[in-house]
Amino acid sequence: EAGVTQFPSHSVIEKGQTVTLRCDPISGHDNLYWYRRVMGKEIKFLLHFVKESKQDESGMPNNRFLAERTGGTYSTLKVQPAELEDSGVYFCASSQDRVAGLPGETQYFGPGTRLLVL
Amino acid sequence: RKEVEQDPGPFNVPEGATVAFNCTYSNSASQSFFWYRQDCRKEPKLLMSVYSSGNEDGRFTAQLNRASQYISLLIRDSKLSDSATYLCVPRGGSQGNLIFGKGTKLSVKP
Repeated sequence: EAGVTQFPSHSVIEKGQTVTLRCDPISGHDNLYWYRRVMGKEIKFLLHFVKESKQDESGMPNNRFLAERTGGTYSTLKVQPAELEDSGVYFCASSQDRVAGLPGETQYFGPGTRLLVL
Repeated sequence: RKEVEQDPGPFNVPEGATVAFNCTYSNSASQSFFWYRQDCRKEPKLLMSVYSSGNEDGRFTAQLNRASQYISLLIRDSKLSDSATYLCVPRGGSQGNLIFGKGTKLSVKP
């Protein structure tokens, strides 16, 4: 079974440009999460989709970030315009629906997109 | 107070050693807990879930103390391949997101 995939693996852009990151979750996983780690900091939650709906976007830093998941399959995260502080590693994770009685679903992470804004 | 606090290490241990990591979390509403490991420049990978009664998976033992909001991971008979950063990860309350600490770095030497 294929894991979570992300594209591109690396992106180097200039301040003010736009970048779109893509995540393909594991097939059949309704839950899709975006996380980010900036240098020297811990991994931080950005947002959570359940199918095509945004369940929680409390971690989105500002309105320069736009996430979509049309059709409930892959997701994109667009940064427009990019700023220097947006540099970091953007991880996507997916999980199945929680099964009653179990402590919590496992989130499987993709390899991440390393974004550098110059 | 940080949401998850871990000793950053590094823990430098010889092969075969037993090593223990501790973690405290601030969100008392957290219901699920995990240990992830992360290799350099790689994504986090689930090591094990942590159950209230404590659980063991081979050389790894995890303990949870909800009253103290404390989680631990014990690694016995350390292998070179155990070298990685270990992340203590509660899941936030009723939400689905994971809450990460900065992790504890382990280096197992021959």
